[in-house]
Formats: sequence, C-alpha cells, structure tokens
Amino acid sequence: QVQLVQSGAEVKKPGSSVKVSCKASGGTFSSYAISWVRQAPGQGLEWMGRIIPILGIANYAQKFQGRVTITADKSTSTAYMELSSLRSEDTAVYYCARAGRAGTGDAFDIWGQGTMVTVSS
Amino acid sequence: SYELTQPPSVSVSPGQTARITCSGDALPKQYAYWYQQKPGQAPVLVIYKDSERPSGIPERFSGSSSGTTVTLTISGVQAEDEADYYCQSADSSGTYKVFGGGTKLTVL
Repeated sequence: QVQLVQSGAEVKKPGSSVKVSCKASGGTFSSYAISWVRQAPGQGLEWMGRIIPILGIANYAQKFQGRVTITADKSTSTAYMELSSLRSEDTAVYYCARAGRAGTGDAFDIWGQGTMVTVSS
Repeated sequence: SYELTQPPSVSVSPGQTARITCSGDALPKQYAYWYQQKPGQAPVLVIYKDSERPSGIPERFSGSSSGTTVTLTISGVQAEDEADYYCQSADSSGTYKVFGGGTKLTVL
C-alpha cells in the first residue's frame, strides 16, 4: 500500500522560503499526480498546485502563482513544494495528496500526514 | 476564480439522515469528490466521481449529482460521523482543483 511521508515541522521568518518534501513508499510514483493542499488553523482546505512527475508538468492555483514551485524527483519518488516570500498568513498545515488511481478520476485517495509550517518573527 | 459553495454547518440526531450540498457552475462537467476530516487528522476520501464509494467506506455514505449541485448523504448517522466534510472538484478545464469551504457535521 502506497504511503506518502512528509518532512517535519518548520518555523520560518517572514520573507523567507520553506521547502516541504513528500516521499512515496510502497508503490509507483511517476504516473500519478501529486497535489499540495494547505489548511490554515481553523480554516478549510486550499489547493495550491500539482505536478505529474512522469510529465514534469506543474500547475499552480492563481493565488500562489509566482510564489510556489512544485517539483518531483522520480529517482527518489519524492515531490517538493517550495513557498517563498513567507508571511504570517502562510502559517498552516501543508499536505501532499495523490490523485489519478485508475477508475477514481482525480480523487485524492492517499494523503501525507501533513507538515506544520509556522511563520513568525 | 472558481468556487464551490457548501453550508457551514449541518446538525442531525443519531440515526437520522444528513445531507450536505455543494454548488458550483462547473459541476455538470466535472466530477465531485467528498472528504471527511476529523480534528488533527488528514482528510479521507469518502466519495469519488460524484457517487462512487471507496472500499472501506461504510454504505451509509452516498453521493448524488443534479445540475450544478452535488450532495453527500449520510444515512443512519452515527456519533463517529461527526467531522468536517469538504467537496472538491475542478474548473471547467479540469486542470485547477478547488475545495468547498467545508461543512461541520454535528451529531446531536
């Protein structure tokens, strides 16, 4: 059974960048899409963007265009999300999620455990 | 940008039926998905492609679609169903994903 294991919690200063990793274990990686979704404290889920590793193509939500970069390393089955110019409003739990399992459409069927990113001076 | 609209909260007594709606202009063209999230946990997929149920999800969870509205129905609600529920879909191109604002289901 595929699992997505994310990197640990981060504390960052305003204006800096953060890079969160998401490693897939127990199954194939490249042929699926990996999305990044964030959740601010007490708030809802927010889609940030995705990458299809086998194609190397990334799409980003308009809100994050220019500030987020999603990449993937097929050799290590790891996806990355880097968010720059951090501000306090970026304090959130960041999740990676897999989509594209046959027959499920674009359902996010497997999620990482989440990574807490705190932006504070 | 494209939005999905859900009611902020729904309350039901145990054993009753809970219905959570989600509205969006592109829903006639794009599938909807539903996720359950309990405090401190990652979301869990409970319905995919409008009305399909993943293995391991109880039969009391069902989904339906009509025009620009999709509905998650939980029949015979149990205390353990108390959670936040999110619908998710995509814009008309299918590329850009979006979540509804979430609905807090309270079991009285």
